[in-house]
Amino acid sequence: GAVVSQHPSWVICKSGTSVKIECRSLDFQATTMFWYRQFPKQSLMLMATSNEGSKATYEQGVEKDKFLINHASLTLSTLTVTSAHPEDSSFYICSASGLNSPLHFGNGTRLTVT
Amino acid sequence: QKEVEQNSGPLSVPEGAIASLNCTYSDRGSQSFFWYRQYSGKSPELIMSIYSNGDKEDGRFTAQLNKASQYVSLLIRDSQPSDSATYLCAVNRVGNQFYFGTGTSLTVIP
Repeated sequence: GAVVSQHPSWVICKSGTSVKIECRSLDFQATTMFWYRQFPKQSLMLMATSNEGSKATYEQGVEKDKFLINHASLTLSTLTVTSAHPEDSSFYICSASGLNSPLHFGNGTRLTVT
Repeated sequence: QKEVEQNSGPLSVPEGAIASLNCTYSDRGSQSFFWYRQYSGKSPELIMSIYSNGDKEDGRFTAQLNKASQYVSLLIRDSQPSDSATYLCAVNRVGNQFYFGTGTSLTVIP
């Protein structure tokens, strides 16, 4: 089946630093990639949708200058959390979909900001 | 009205029983329907896709779709403790927009 690779699996960083998370579709071309955030015992929260070669569409309340998304190719999207703060600590999950196909999720990145 | 609605549960069933999970969606133009399983601390995993009315079976799982009623369900036969997880219903609309329910927590009691 389709595989989405997300890296790193977990990261600890100091407050004020930036963290980049990569999401790759390994065996299909991802026309659309989605970034989610999930706090403990809560539902998935869609942060943004990105299509290859165009600017990401952010959900209401998500700061686009803080969460930078780049989708430079059909197999790679990155999320950069800039100037991270402890409240940004969460489980970040990417997902990818080809045309008319199911959504496949990466394994997620657990971010802890100290 | 939410795009996709699920009963949040928790739903508890004894081992070996049938677990029934339900989902309704609001947009009649929705084209594809999916069930995901999410274990605590892990990302969602696709377990079933269904695209046309009727039943689709895969092992112990059966997905049922009724577009007239805008209803999707997932049946898990012979439930096992390892099936204990949160089950997410997802709907795909035109333009590759995916909408998720908030998930139903299932506990299978040994």
